[in-house]
Amino acid sequence: DTGVSQDPRHKITKRGQNVTFRCDPISEHNRLYWYRQTLGQGPEFLTYFQNEAQLEKSRLLSDRFSAERPKGSFSTLEIQRTEQGDSAMYLCASSLGRVSHQPQHFGDGTRLSIL
Amino acid sequence: DAKTTQPPSMDCAEGRAANLPCNHSTISGNEYVYWYRQIHSQGPQYIIHGLKNNETNEMASLIITEDRKSSTLILPHATLRDTAVYYCIVRGSQGGSEKLVFGKGTKLTVNP
Repeated sequence: DTGVSQDPRHKITKRGQNVTFRCDPISEHNRLYWYRQTLGQGPEFLTYFQNEAQLEKSRLLSDRFSAERPKGSFSTLEIQRTEQGDSAMYLCASSLGRVSHQPQHFGDGTRLSIL
Repeated sequence: DAKTTQPPSMDCAEGRAANLPCNHSTISGNEYVYWYRQIHSQGPQYIIHGLKNNETNEMASLIITEDRKSSTLILPHATLRDTAVYYCIVRGSQGGSEKLVFGKGTKLTVNP
């Protein structure tokens, strides 16, 4: 499978704990995106990387959230001191950025449940 | 906020064409129209995109009006597996934000 891969698929944790998700983009895609989706809503943009540089961040990305893409390949999204409102599906997407209108391709997400 | 308007739901008979409309009256010259769909518990799946010419691929056809203020996604022979939420999104290609802004989409139900 050469699509976007996300790990884990499901994460259940207690409020206040830290969690980290991983995203492996499609090979050779230099742009990587994180979105969050709550029940009944469309995905909402969180942040975007071009290679290892984080170029855009949403106001949704509070200081408890941090994303990295250290070598321009895989990316991690960490949430510190989780809260009930963090329960959501976290989606990763990637695109080939050499042509600016190339579509983003999504993984199947990590579903986070906060107890 | 999303720059597109879609009907909340539609029904289609299996084997018939599904025509999903989208209004984007404030679209600007360098903005593309993208269509995605999402099946429950999966990530959004890219379907097709276009600027001003009609586009066709193995999944669907995209018809964009001459004034570019609306478009229609056509699934030529809908199957039960096409039941999903379909999102129409407008995004620029030069500068500006890279983000996709999803609205609530259209819930398409294909009936046997």
